[in-house]
Amino acid sequence: QVQLQESGPGLVKPSETLSLTCSVSGGSITNYYWNWIRQPPGKGLEWIGYVYYTGSTMDNPSLRSRVTISVDTSKNQISLKLRSVTAADTAVYYCARGTPVSGTPFFPSLDSWGQGTLVTVSS
Amino acid sequence: DIQMTQSPSTLSASVGDRVTITCRASQSINSWLAWFQQKAGKAPKLLIYKASSLESGVPSRFSGSGSGTEFTLTISSLQPDDLATYYCQQYNGYPWTFGQGTKVEIK
Repeated sequence: QVQLQESGPGLVKPSETLSLTCSVSGGSITNYYWNWIRQPPGKGLEWIGYVYYTGSTMDNPSLRSRVTISVDTSKNQISLKLRSVTAADTAVYYCARGTPVSGTPFFPSLDSWGQGTLVTVSS
Repeated sequence: DIQMTQSPSTLSASVGDRVTITCRASQSINSWLAWFQQKAGKAPKLLIYKASSLESGVPSRFSGSGSGTEFTLTISSLQPDDLATYYCQQYNGYPWTFGQGTKVEIK
C-alpha cells in the first residue's frame, strides 16, 4: 500500500517561496503522475499541477507560472515550489498519486493521497 | 477552464435513504470524471473513476453514472459513516477542476 507524506514549513512570509516535499513509500514512482492539490480553509479543492515520473510537468495557469513541480526518483520524492506567495495561498496542500488507465499513460485518476499539510502565509 | 457544478450544495437524509448528487460540466468531458469523499479534517478519498468504475475497497452502495456533461453519484442506502463532503473532478482537459462540493448530513 503506497503512502504519501507531505512535509515543509507551516508558515511562510508574504512574497517568499513556499517549498514542500512529498515522500513516497511502499510503492514505485515509476509510471505514475504525482500531483499537488490545495484546499484553503473551509473551501474547495484546487489542482495545482503534476509531474510525471519522467519529469514532464503540467500546472494550473491560474497560478500564473509561479509553480515548479519536480521529481527525484532516487529519493522517491516529489517537490513543490510556489513563488511570491500571498495570504491567498494559505491552504492545506496535498500530494496525490495519479494512476493512468490500465495499459496506457493517459487519464490518471487520483487514487492515493497524503494527509495534507497546512501552510499559512503571514508576516 | 471546464467548470464543474454540483447540486445540491447540502443535503440532509436519513440512514437507509437513497441519495443522489449531480455534477454538470460546462463542456463534454467524455467519461473522465471522478468522485471523492472527504471527511472532516481528512484527505479526499477516491470513490469512483471514469464516471462509473468503483475504486477497489469502496462499498458497493456507492455508484456513478453519466457521460458527456451530466453525471451522478448515488449512495443506495445511506450509512452514518457516509457523513462527508463529496466532490466531483474532471480530468479530461487542463486544468483539472473540481466541483464546489456537496455536504451530506445525516438526519
